[in-house]
Amino acid sequence: GQQLNQSPQSMFIQEGEDVSMNCTSSSIFNTWLWYKQDPGEGPVLLIALYKAGELTSNGRLTAQFGITRKDSFLNISASIPSDVGIYFCAGQWQGAQKLVFGQGTRLTINP
Amino acid sequence: DTGVSQDPRHKITKRGQNVTFRCDPISEHNRLYWYRQTLGQGPEFLTYFQNEAQLEKSRLLSDRFSAERPKGSFSTLEIQRTEQGDSAMYLCASSFASGTNEQFFGPGTRLTVL
Repeated sequence: GQQLNQSPQSMFIQEGEDVSMNCTSSSIFNTWLWYKQDPGEGPVLLIALYKAGELTSNGRLTAQFGITRKDSFLNISASIPSDVGIYFCAGQWQGAQKLVFGQGTRLTINP
Repeated sequence: DTGVSQDPRHKITKRGQNVTFRCDPISEHNRLYWYRQTLGQGPEFLTYFQNEAQLEKSRLLSDRFSAERPKGSFSTLEIQRTEQGDSAMYLCASSFASGTNEQFFGPGTRLTVL
């Protein structure tokens, strides 16, 4: 089963607003990844984080690797309609290859 | 298109039938992963290969499931005697063995078992 707690489960915002979501774990991860998934498609990698405290941006997206290595945050600034979708966090333990995913945050944007 | 490809995109089958899915990874990637995703959940790991060797299998991968990657390139995932609980999206991902090991996903195969 899922070992990551992702919140919120869903968000309804107005176009142009900023968005924040986070992911927490009971165990320490070596890598945090953030993906976006559109209906009927596979997840698309947005940002990868490798060091505790790391802050990485990809356009309007910014993600942080928590200091405790048990959490991560994703922020989207000035949301636009194409940001609609489901955002997943994924963690990877040191030495492991598999990813462990959160339950996802569904983002809906009202124009 | 140089991304991960999967075939078919959709499969509808009757309970008890066997199905096989194919995944073609990004050409220079030597690691290949299979995940399963049910409605409203994140993907769950099934198994992964490094080149042709299957190095890890999840306990989700029952004895009705088998995956192969005979030449270290494409991979197949077979489900025998399908059950309604097998209905899900089956996702394939690939990565380099060295470096950051970022996993890139294909579009998935949606399986519906009637």
